Amino acid sequence: DAEITQSPRHKITETGRQVTLACHQTWNHNNMFWYRQDLGHGLRLIHYSYGVQDTNKGEVSDGYSVSRSNTEDLPLTLESAASSQTSVYFCASSAGQPNSPLHFGNGTRLTVT
Amino acid sequence: AQSVTQLDSQVPVFEEAPVELRCNYSSSVSVYLFWYVQYPNQGLQLLLKYLSGSTLVESINGFEAEFNKSQTSFHLRKPSVHISDTAEYFCAVGYQKVTFGTGTKLQVIP
Repeated sequence: DAEITQSPRHKITETGRQVTLACHQTWNHNNMFWYRQDLGHGLRLIHYSYGVQDTNKGEVSDGYSVSRSNTEDLPLTLESAASSQTSVYFCASSAGQPNSPLHFGNGTRLTVT
Repeated sequence: AQSVTQLDSQVPVFEEAPVELRCNYSSSVSVYLFWYVQYPNQGLQLLLKYLSGSTLVESINGFEAEFNKSQTSFHLRKPSVHISDTAEYFCAVGYQKVTFGTGTKLQVIP
């Protein structure tokens, strides 16, 4: 079965370090998204991609970057981790049609100390 | 621009009682509406969606939602909840780029 895999599931890092969260999908979807989930804020869009070499900023993109070199992967990089980036991060993909839903990974819980 | 408002952050309800989770939206383009459910330590899963046509949409596990254009609402209902329905529910609007509400935690009390 097709799926989205996020790794690691849990990560603890120190302020100022660079961190990369992996996202790999086997749906062959063009669209991929990164969200962060925080209490009281729901899910907020960080970055998204509509295909290889395409990346776009979401509503909370400061301090994050992504790259899309193939269809399957969209790694999320925190350039210099801050305590405000402690959160649960979800990767999702979709086929990009109105009747095609988002498929989510199981999330990465990141703690910045 | 698009946005979603879920006013209830938590809804406790007794098992076998009915429940309604409220959702109001705004969108400047065609309206595509969704409800997603999140069980503990998991990602979100699609529960149901409204794209066009009948304003009442149903899920396979007994939930339904009604699209009301005049009230810009898409409330989620179930006539009789089960313990297994305990989860967080997110209303969402859009396609391609989806905007989520802040979520409602449904707590089913035995």
